[in-house]
Amino acid sequence: NAGVTQTPKFRVLKTGQSMTLLCAQDMNHEYMYWYRQDPGMGLRLIHYSVGEGTTAKGEVPDGYNVSRLKKQNFLLGLESAAPSQTSVYFCASRWRTYTGELFFGEGSRLTVL
Amino acid sequence: AQTVTQSQPEMSVQEAETVTLSCTYDTSESDYYLFWYKQPPSRQMILVIRQEAYKQQNATENRFSVNFQKAAKSFSLKISDSQLGDAAMYFCAYILQGGSEKLVFGKGTKLTVNP
Repeated sequence: NAGVTQTPKFRVLKTGQSMTLLCAQDMNHEYMYWYRQDPGMGLRLIHYSVGEGTTAKGEVPDGYNVSRLKKQNFLLGLESAAPSQTSVYFCASRWRTYTGELFFGEGSRLTVL
Repeated sequence: AQTVTQSQPEMSVQEAETVTLSCTYDTSESDYYLFWYKQPPSRQMILVIRQEAYKQQNATENRFSVNFQKAAKSFSLKISDSQLGDAAMYFCAYILQGGSEKLVFGKGTKLTVNP
């Protein structure tokens, strides 16, 4: 059972380039999330989805777009990367009705030069 | 705004000793879940312990226990018999029960375990 899988694990971009992070979960979770983690800032919510075809903004959504075309996948896109988007990105998922525990991926380290 | 505050950016403990990490939160709701997550250098977020707000009994998981004070909105984590493998970032978090989508995290406490 793979759980939550993020690809790629590492990526280096130049300013202005675009990229997509893929999150896949095999637990049939309704809810999926993208967080970014920066030193001293904890985890900040970028976007989330409560079901297939739905997305919503979190705390720091600017510069990112997301899509949830399939229940098991949640994509995070950067259309024009900026150095301020250098971070570690975490995907997480959970069931809608349960104790609220999040299951996390291993994180993706993105560096924007 | 719903917030979680971890007032200790860094803590250290001697191996085999006990350490307590602090967490306070702010919500006007009465039903919610509280969590402590551990993030070792591998980056993987690992659930350490969970507490349901409606339960008065403090949760325990082996060497990990919590002191949940609902009126004071306090949720501290006690690690007994600390081990080198306990060295990690620890995040406190909560989510409202029923109908809420978002888990709110604190900024974390970095725990160092000295041999």
